[in-house]
Amino acid sequence: GQQVMQIPQYQHVQEGEDFTTYCNSSTTLSNIQWYKQRPGGHPVFLIQLVKSGEVKKQKRLTFQFGEAKKNSSLHITATQTTDVGTYFCAGPGNTGKLIFGQGTTLQVKP
Amino acid sequence: GAVVSQHPSRVICKSGTSVKIECRSLDFQATTMFWYRQFPKQSLMLMATSNEGSKATYEQGVEKDKFLINHASLTLSTLTVTSAHPEDSSFYICSAPLQGRETQYFGPGTRLLVL
Repeated sequence: GQQVMQIPQYQHVQEGEDFTTYCNSSTTLSNIQWYKQRPGGHPVFLIQLVKSGEVKKQKRLTFQFGEAKKNSSLHITATQTTDVGTYFCAGPGNTGKLIFGQGTTLQVKP
Repeated sequence: GAVVSQHPSRVICKSGTSVKIECRSLDFQATTMFWYRQFPKQSLMLMATSNEGSKATYEQGVEKDKFLINHASLTLSTLTVTSAHPEDSSFYICSAPLQGRETQYFGPGTRLLVL
């Protein structure tokens, strides 16, 4: 079946360092979505990418959708302690459901 | 933005009892809602798709008789964990997409602890 894989599973960085998480789908996606889940919280929608090669920025976060629409990345520049959490990518499956990656948990040391 | 609420936020129950979790879309109508389960330090696992006015669609390996889903109105879906056991202890989260959109809005989740 359709799978969405994410690496790394965990990342510890010093505050101010950059961070990147990578997402790879077993099938071509019509779009890719990114969510953030803070510790003890629920996933919150961050962004959706639709076009091949699309790049979108949200302040220090840069999201990229691959040319083949099978992979994506999220890059955070100069991490802050508020960036702590688990970042999930997700691609649409059948009947509107989302297939989530395993998530990358980011820890930021102040 | 769209708001989804869940109730209760936390529940502790004895083994063998049933627990009902409610998921409501507060400012929009949701013909479809999704129920997920998340174990500590793991990803979201889709359990079932709740469809307003029709039967829910369960993912492979999810027992439909154990996890009863009712989507009685366009703003409310309920998940009932029947005869709960300690292994059912988990974080249960619902989500709903806006009509015609693929992005989902998640409820705050329900932490279930079965003793």
